[in-house]
Amino acid sequence: EDKVVQSPLSLVVHEGDTVTLNCSYEVTNFRSLLWYKQEKKAPTFLFMLTSSGIEKKSGRLSSILDKKELFSILNITATQTGDSAVYLCAGKNSGGSNYKLTFGKGTLLTVNP
Amino acid sequence: NAGVTQTPKFRVLKTGQSMTLLCAQDMNHEYMYWYRQDPGMGLRLIHYSVGEGTTAKGEVPDGYNVSRLKKQNFLLGLESAAPSQTSVYFCASKVPDTYEQYFGPGTRLTVT
Repeated sequence: EDKVVQSPLSLVVHEGDTVTLNCSYEVTNFRSLLWYKQEKKAPTFLFMLTSSGIEKKSGRLSSILDKKELFSILNITATQTGDSAVYLCAGKNSGGSNYKLTFGKGTLLTVNP
Repeated sequence: NAGVTQTPKFRVLKTGQSMTLLCAQDMNHEYMYWYRQDPGMGLRLIHYSVGEGTTAKGEVPDGYNVSRLKKQNFLLGLESAAPSQTSVYFCASKVPDTYEQYFGPGTRLTVT
């Protein structure tokens, strides 16, 4: 059974801090890892990583995948209160055409002013 | 372009009652999914569909049924609701040529 584990489960920081969120995975025939941000409602897509060692960046957010050690990190620099959310990572296997994602439980990030 | 919409947004049921949650997407996506989200549990896949007329079980399918009679709609049914089905339900559809899933706003269901 595929498994995705995120750590920490929750984190409280002050505005301006840099945070690193972790995601480790055990996914059969792993294909890709995706990061989502969930505020009050629906998760919204951040990144998809398929190749090891290649950083994806979007503004203050960046993410990298290590396929040898089976983990990914999401970095947020100069955090703002608007970054407060649950961050979810999900693994995708390459089995068949089902295109299913296995989600972790998420990291709740709280950024205080 | 409304994206993925879900009806209703909130619902309270008594144990044993039935209901249907409707998911609609106007992006012509083939793949659609139903998830439930419980505190501290992340998103768990209930059922999914790879195209009109097809459905398949996910991780937690018991107590739920689904139908995909039209490409744009994916229905999730609870035949006899139980308190354990109290949750937030999200529908999603897959963006073509990627693994990205686009989520609806969710339905908060309480079963008393």
